[in-house]
Amino acid sequence: DTEVTQTPKHLVMGMTNKKSLKCEQHMGHRAMYWYKQKAKKPPELMFVYSYEKLSINESVPSRFSPECPNSSLLNLHLHALQPEDSALYLCASSSAFTTGELFFGEGSRLTVL
Amino acid sequence: AQSVTQLDSQVPVFEEAPVELRCNYSSSVSVYLFWYVQYPNQGLQLLLKYLSGSTLVESINGFEAEFNKSQTSFHLRKPSVHISDTAEYFCAVSDPGVNDMRFGAGTRLTVKP
Repeated sequence: DTEVTQTPKHLVMGMTNKKSLKCEQHMGHRAMYWYKQKAKKPPELMFVYSYEKLSINESVPSRFSPECPNSSLLNLHLHALQPEDSALYLCASSSAFTTGELFFGEGSRLTVL
Repeated sequence: AQSVTQLDSQVPVFEEAPVELRCNYSSSVSVYLFWYVQYPNQGLQLLLKYLSGSTLVESINGFEAEFNKSQTSFHLRKPSVHISDTAEYFCAVSDPGVNDMRFGAGTRLTVKP
């Protein structure tokens, strides 16, 4: 079983909806990540939080809004998305500044109608 | 940021045959290198990693990879594959101390009976 838990596993939303993806880990990791993965493509880095502070934002459109309420939780708020935003959204965590190894959740599959 | 190139998008092999999945990274300075595997509709699982030390690293399920600094390569090998090895394999790189893991385009390994 993965130690990074993502909810929901599947989400269908319209372009005017507001929804959120949630991620939780209890490994004591202080770095958390959001990746976007389109079909048959590699994961693309979106955001990195280190010690609850946003450290990397890969020029992601503002319709994606990350939030790190505490060291165990990571949210991705979604608003006014486009159909091309449909993808698998992967959350990961790592022990910051040590081995660099990422632990991934199983992902949230998002469909925007 | 570092980058990786996976030279083969698809590798079909027969069961019990040897396989090599190729990966080259962009820089000759200090790097961390990883191989991740992704089964359908799942997140990514770490297969093996190179941080420092011995250039040959092994996984528990028979895969191995060799770090070659002069050729900036980190190819993945297995002497005898199984049907269950069918999956997408991603090579990844990160800078030590920086939480910015980047993935190659992936190699689809298909093991045929």
